[in-house]
Amino acid sequence: DTAVSQTPKYLVTQMGNDKSIKCEQNLGHDTMYWYKQDSKKFLKIMFSYNNKELIINETVPNRFSPKSPDKAHLNLHINSLELGDSAVYFCASSHQRGGQETQYFGPGTRLLVL
Amino acid sequence: SQQGEEDPQALSIQEGENATMNCSYKTSINNLQWYRQNSGRGLVHLILIRSNEREKHSGRLRVTLDTSKKSSSLLITASRAADTASYFCATDLSGYSTLTFGKGTMLLVSP
Repeated sequence: DTAVSQTPKYLVTQMGNDKSIKCEQNLGHDTMYWYKQDSKKFLKIMFSYNNKELIINETVPNRFSPKSPDKAHLNLHINSLELGDSAVYFCASSHQRGGQETQYFGPGTRLLVL
Repeated sequence: SQQGEEDPQALSIQEGENATMNCSYKTSINNLQWYRQNSGRGLVHLILIRSNEREKHSGRLRVTLDTSKKSSSLLITASRAADTASYFCATDLSGYSTLTFGKGTMLLVSP
């Protein structure tokens, strides 16, 4: 069974559209993350939730809204998509919050905005 | 926010050779982790080293940490084609709840 799964794997859409990416982890972890990886492979934290509570919200346009219906799921909704949103988005989870924790990554969602 | 900086950006070696990647960071840390990313995949955790440790081994991997120089190195011995991937260091900031990743080193191991 996949530990951290994301859907969809690929997402091609037009500018201005609204889209969602879903993430689920079956590891029983308390903490989940969303990262954005740009074309230069730079991986930047966007959000982190711990037990459904938002704990990290980096400087991200408010067009991006995370939602955690339960601690096994962290979805990412993006409004009014822009060309610059094209990137690979990774979901990750860890047992608990903190820099000592190993993070487990999903396979990524490749978003292309045309 | 702080980020680790890996060096070199890209490294090309032959199978059987050793590969060394370096990571420098800017402020004090509690832990430093190394991750591998195969092409088109998510990151996979390799090893964690704490600020009070100087060296750690895991199979063919050897990680060192020099907190006085704010740097770490990852050595892969007897490399294999399957080691071809990008390698990232990730650091935590004291009091910060997550990791900050560097830009990675792309390693190519040719048969």
